[in-house]
Amino acid sequence: GDSVTQMEGPVTLSEEAFLTINCTYTATGYPSLFWYVQYPGEGLQLLLKATKADDKGSNKGFEATYRKETTSFHLEKGSVQVSDSAVYFCALSDSGGSNYKLTFGKGTLLTVNP
Amino acid sequence: EAQVTQNPRYLITVTGKKLTVTCSQNMNHEYMSWYRQDPGLGLRQIYYSMNVEVTDKGDVPEGYKVSRKEKRNFPLILESPSPNQTSLYFCASKSQGTMNTEAFFGQGTRLTVV
Repeated sequence: GDSVTQMEGPVTLSEEAFLTINCTYTATGYPSLFWYVQYPGEGLQLLLKATKADDKGSNKGFEATYRKETTSFHLEKGSVQVSDSAVYFCALSDSGGSNYKLTFGKGTLLTVNP
Repeated sequence: EAQVTQNPRYLITVTGKKLTVTCSQNMNHEYMSWYRQDPGLGLRQIYYSMNVEVTDKGDVPEGYKVSRKEKRNFPLILESPSPNQTSLYFCASKSQGTMNTEAFFGQGTRLTVV
């Protein structure tokens, strides 16, 4: 079945540091890939997505590129801010059947210190 | 404002006492789904619904029921809650379209069963 493996946290960075959170996936079809973010006490929000190989998703300074050859979708940001502190989830949605299920990684807690 | 609303946000109950967590969306989405989030496990799908009166099991349906009598509402029912159902629950909705479209999540319901 489908699965997502992402970097275990927690990750602690200083403000303006470079961020990478690794994500790899296994899927039977041709999935769409997503990064969701969960701020403290809130639900999940879509951060960015990519729907086919070599697509780059970007939003709020975050980027991730859909790499089919390495089955990866790593999240990067050049300069993190304190407000980026949150839990980040990598997820995929496969084309199997009528269930638009999201398969999630376990989440990575990011803490950014001033 | 587009939103998914869950109630209650927090609930403490005793083993065996039936409860319902409500979920409502105002985006006229056909697809709705319930997930539970547990530490170290990420989010796992409980049930989903493709449209009114159409529901199906996700990955962890045991101990849960759902109904979809109206398009906007998708309640989660625990007929006889047990301590292993202590978790953080999220409702999500998305338009039917394709697997690429964004899923919108509620703010979550933290359930404790004692």
